[in-house]
Amino acid sequence: DTAVSQTPKYLVTQMGNDKSIKCEQNLGHDTMYWYKQDSKKFLKIMFSYNNKELIINETVPNRFSPKSPDKAHLNLHINSLELGDSAVYFCASSLTPTGTFSPLHFGNGTRLTVT
Amino acid sequence: GQQVMQIPQYQHVQEGEDFTTYCNSSTTLSNIQWYKQRPGGHPVFLIQLVKSGEVKKQKRLTFQFGEAKKNSSLHITATQTTDVGTYFCAGKNTGGFKTIFGAGTRLFVKA
Repeated sequence: DTAVSQTPKYLVTQMGNDKSIKCEQNLGHDTMYWYKQDSKKFLKIMFSYNNKELIINETVPNRFSPKSPDKAHLNLHINSLELGDSAVYFCASSLTPTGTFSPLHFGNGTRLTVT
Repeated sequence: GQQVMQIPQYQHVQEGEDFTTYCNSSTTLSNIQWYKQRPGGHPVFLIQLVKSGEVKKQKRLTFQFGEAKKNSSLHITATQTTDVGTYFCAGKNTGGFKTIFGAGTRLFVKA
């Protein structure tokens, strides 16, 4: 059983399109995250939800809109895609946002290529 | 804002040689975590250090947390080809929500 699953695995699209990435976790965790990993492997946090409430909202273009319908799901919608959005997007979850021991469990990633 | 610096960016070693990656935070951390990402894979949690001066071992891997809780290191003894990947440190401030990742150290092991 996959703990954190995200779809699709690959996404190739043209500039200006709108696309969504979905994520689900079956670990019973309260907190979910979106991280962006660029070509240099930098992992940068974008958003985090704790039990459906947005708790982290980094300096990300407002073309990116996360949505958490319940604590097991976190989706990411991207409007008007740009070349610079090409990256691997990782969904992750943790038991709590501030717990003493709350490591991140990552999904397999979605490789987004904007042409 | 909180920053976590990690060096070196890359390390090429011959199989059997040792490897160390270093992590330094601009602020005092409540804990530091280490992750490994295999080529084409996703980051996988290795270990967490919480106490000042803490040292933990996992087989050939030794993790240290500095006395001031601002720096950490990962040392691999006698590397193997299976150690190939990118090693990330990740720190969190006390009561903070964010886990901030270092830039990662990419390890290449030549057989």
